[in-house]
Amino acid sequence: QKEVEQDPGPLSVPEGAIVSLNCTYSNSAFQYFMWYRQYSRKGPELLMYTYSSGNKEDGRFTAQVDKSSKYISLFIRDSQPSDSATYLCAIEGRSGGSNYKLTFGKGTLLTVNP
Amino acid sequence: NAGVMQNPRHLVRRRGQEARLRCSPMKGHSHVYWYRQLPEEGLKFMVYLQKENIIDESGMPKERFSAEFPKEGPSILRIQQVVRGDSAAYFCASSPASDTDTQYFGPGTRLTVL
Repeated sequence: QKEVEQDPGPLSVPEGAIVSLNCTYSNSAFQYFMWYRQYSRKGPELLMYTYSSGNKEDGRFTAQVDKSSKYISLFIRDSQPSDSATYLCAIEGRSGGSNYKLTFGKGTLLTVNP
Repeated sequence: NAGVMQNPRHLVRRRGQEARLRCSPMKGHSHVYWYRQLPEEGLKFMVYLQKENIIDESGMPKERFSAEFPKEGPSILRIQQVVRGDSAAYFCASSPASDTDTQYFGPGTRLTVL
């Protein structure tokens, strides 16, 4: 089983739709969870960061973590064409000393159609 | 505050040549991480460096790859005798400290081996 699983999509939605992106992970030692956005041919840009179970909201974006199920989600409300990008979940462990080593999902390619 | 800078942005090499990729971290950041993104794959951790020290190179191939972060100047990822399988996007990230939650990524260097 891979450490982080993410459905690669592609996912295509109309403008204004609510988008749900998800990842599962296998190692309960992971404690910090991030979502990065990567536009084509660009570097990843940090969108959301959280470490506890529950929801964290930032504008149109909500990150959700369920540690009991080892499941993380990113919701985008009122999606815009400018949200079209690849979304990467990333997880960071805080045990065993490797707290700096981000483990990424493969990314989900999202297209928001005008 | 300038972000993480990488150069060159695109690099073409023939099999057997050497590739040198440079990364200048954000101002005030003394921790550098290199990741590789192969086609259709997620970002994979390669190496973590602090000034003049390699902290963790567990993600680096054992042969042909080396990294350094000298006291002065950028971090360098060096690939000797490149092969076609080295073709990928190489991303550098930096953070102020290893236990800081956020790694900021550069735009990447896209290496093509002919």
